[in-house]
Amino acid sequence: GAVVSQHPSWVICKSGTSVKIECRSLDFQATTMFWYRQFPKQSLMLMATSNEGSKATYEQGVEKDKFLINHASLTLSTLTVTSAHPEDSSFYICSASGQGSNSPLHFGNGTRLTVT
Amino acid sequence: GENVEQHPSTLSVQEGDSAVIKCTYSDSASNYFPWYKQELGKRPQLIIDIRSNVGEKKDQRIAVTLNKTAKHFSLHITETQPEDSAVYFCAGAKNFNKFYFGSGTKLNVKP
Repeated sequence: GAVVSQHPSWVICKSGTSVKIECRSLDFQATTMFWYRQFPKQSLMLMATSNEGSKATYEQGVEKDKFLINHASLTLSTLTVTSAHPEDSSFYICSASGQGSNSPLHFGNGTRLTVT
Repeated sequence: GENVEQHPSTLSVQEGDSAVIKCTYSDSASNYFPWYKQELGKRPQLIIDIRSNVGEKKDQRIAVTLNKTAKHFSLHITETQPEDSAVYFCAGAKNFNKFYFGSGTKLNVKP
């Protein structure tokens, strides 16, 4: 159980364009999902907490207008990187806790974004 | 927010030896501490976790210890095997909300 699916697994886009990444909980409902960013050989940095039906909460230093998060249903959260630049190239991973209030965090497969 | 520090950044051991990775955390309210294993290009996978009401937990060759007073916890892998080679991340969370990760340890098990 507690499967998290993320799509696409990789994407290449041109500078100035926007990219949408989807994160789905396949076998459970996730009122909260988390978006992380990981640079090569570095740790997972929490970007924002996605709350179903309400605005996402962003970590300090993360631009909310650049990284748009929408959590429209209990099984889907999306991250849109707007006006992407080469420095946005990174590995983005979503995660969600399994069903229940005390459930471990499970990760999607991640999306490798390359901005040219 | 929580600040989780992890050491060492790299660890090389001989097959069959033990490996220990240590983490400290700053927020005394954190009460859940998972460990994840990440292979190259793949998602992190939960390998073991511990809650703040427990001092030690073991699962076959893997064990985790927690010292709440000192605010540190450790991962112990015994009888290491080449397939244990990966990057390991510790994390801390309060009530399973907002998981903050350590900087990672690259473990290399030499055959």
